[in-house]
Amino acid sequence: EAGVVQSPRYKIIEKKQPVAFWCNPISGHNTLYWYRQNLGQGPELLIRYENEEAVDDSQLPKDRFSAERLKGVDSTLKIQPAELGDSAVYLCASSAPGTSTDTQYFGPGTRLTVL
Amino acid sequence: AQSVTQLGSHVSVSEGALVLLRCNYSSSVPPYLFWYVQYPNQGLQLLLKYTSAATLVKGINGFEAEFKKSETSFHLTKPSAHMSDAAEYFCAVSTYNQGGKLIFGQGTELSVKP
Repeated sequence: EAGVVQSPRYKIIEKKQPVAFWCNPISGHNTLYWYRQNLGQGPELLIRYENEEAVDDSQLPKDRFSAERLKGVDSTLKIQPAELGDSAVYLCASSAPGTSTDTQYFGPGTRLTVL
Repeated sequence: AQSVTQLGSHVSVSEGALVLLRCNYSSSVPPYLFWYVQYPNQGLQLLLKYTSAATLVKGINGFEAEFKKSETSFHLTKPSAHMSDAAEYFCAVSTYNQGGKLIFGQGTELSVKP
């Protein structure tokens, strides 16, 4: 069974440029999460989807970040414009069905460097 | 609100020695607790989880953890370290009313010396 797929794996951009990350969850997983992991820190939740609906986006900086999960399968996270402080690893995870005890399966992440 | 504290950002052990990684949590309601491992340039992988059943939880690769409510702890142990155990380890907490949201600790990097 394929795991969570993320692309690109690495991205280097200059500040003020836009950037997008893509995630394809494990087949059949209704719940999808985007986390941000700063250097030397644990992941922090940005947004959680149940199918197409964003059910928790309280930690998403909405002035510059946006996300979508069309058709309830793959998802895209966008930053526009990027700032130096956005340099981090962006992790996508999925689970089925998404309760508090379910295992979350993580992708390898996208490492973003903003210059 | 929930929180997790991992004591020691770096732990170094010799191959064959006991591994002990410490995790303390704070939660106003009964917690669910998780240990994840992260190898370089890879995503997080679940080692084990406590979901209010047995307090001693066994996971993959010979790891286990014990939930101690009185100490608000969930320390991770392994009797004998392997070189392949070198990685970053994260403790995380969730609760029934958080809809699967995980709160992670800052991580502990484990080094294994030959």
